[in-house]
Amino acid sequence: DGGITQSPKYLFRKEGQNVTLSCEQNLNHDAMYWYRQDPGQGLRLIYYSQIVNDFQKGDIAEGYSVSREKKESFPLTVTSAQKNPTAFYLCASSATGGGAFGYTFGSGTRLTVV
Amino acid sequence: GENVEQHPSTLSVQEGDSAVIKCTYSDSASNYFPWYKQELGKRPQLIIDIRSNVGEKKDQRIAVTLNKTAKHFSLHITETQPEDSAVYFCAASRGAGGTSYGKLTFGQGTILTVHP
Repeated sequence: DGGITQSPKYLFRKEGQNVTLSCEQNLNHDAMYWYRQDPGQGLRLIYYSQIVNDFQKGDIAEGYSVSREKKESFPLTVTSAQKNPTAFYLCASSATGGGAFGYTFGSGTRLTVV
Repeated sequence: GENVEQHPSTLSVQEGDSAVIKCTYSDSASNYFPWYKQELGKRPQLIIDIRSNVGEKKDQRIAVTLNKTAKHFSLHITETQPEDSAVYFCAASRGAGGTSYGKLTFGQGTILTVHP
């Protein structure tokens, strides 16, 4: 069953703590993305990657970090520098190959600061 | 960079009526325009998309129109049903290649409510 898997579904972070959100895909997609969703603000791009060992900052990268050591995996770390991390985080992947293609989204991780 | 504006932010219709959601974009190089439906607490799912070489595309009760000159595109849902109630997002991309990596810029979303 091909798809994109995010874990955990719910995550609670204490003040000053770093947490890592997992994103794994078996679609053989080259590109992967992380978006943050807040109520009434749509989807905002945090980081994206087209190939292994390469990634680019999106519109709201401050306080976040990523790695792309494998094609299948694109984990996102929310660092203590992110002052307002409570949000719904969505990972997505897409094919590339010279054209534009729609995303396949994971089911999301809801992060809450406690 | 690309900027996508979506209107209205909320839309309420009676079952059986039509619903129209409109988006404008700023980057004239954008050439791919997908629409996503997101039900409460779930992931967004692609429902229809259109590329810049086409002016209109239809899939059963859903259609999308594109006006490249005016840089706007619209989603049309006919004969709405309660299960159409969701948040709808439009998006735009200039495609993969160069520095864009095929990334999508999303509109703010429209909350559609269909009353039985």
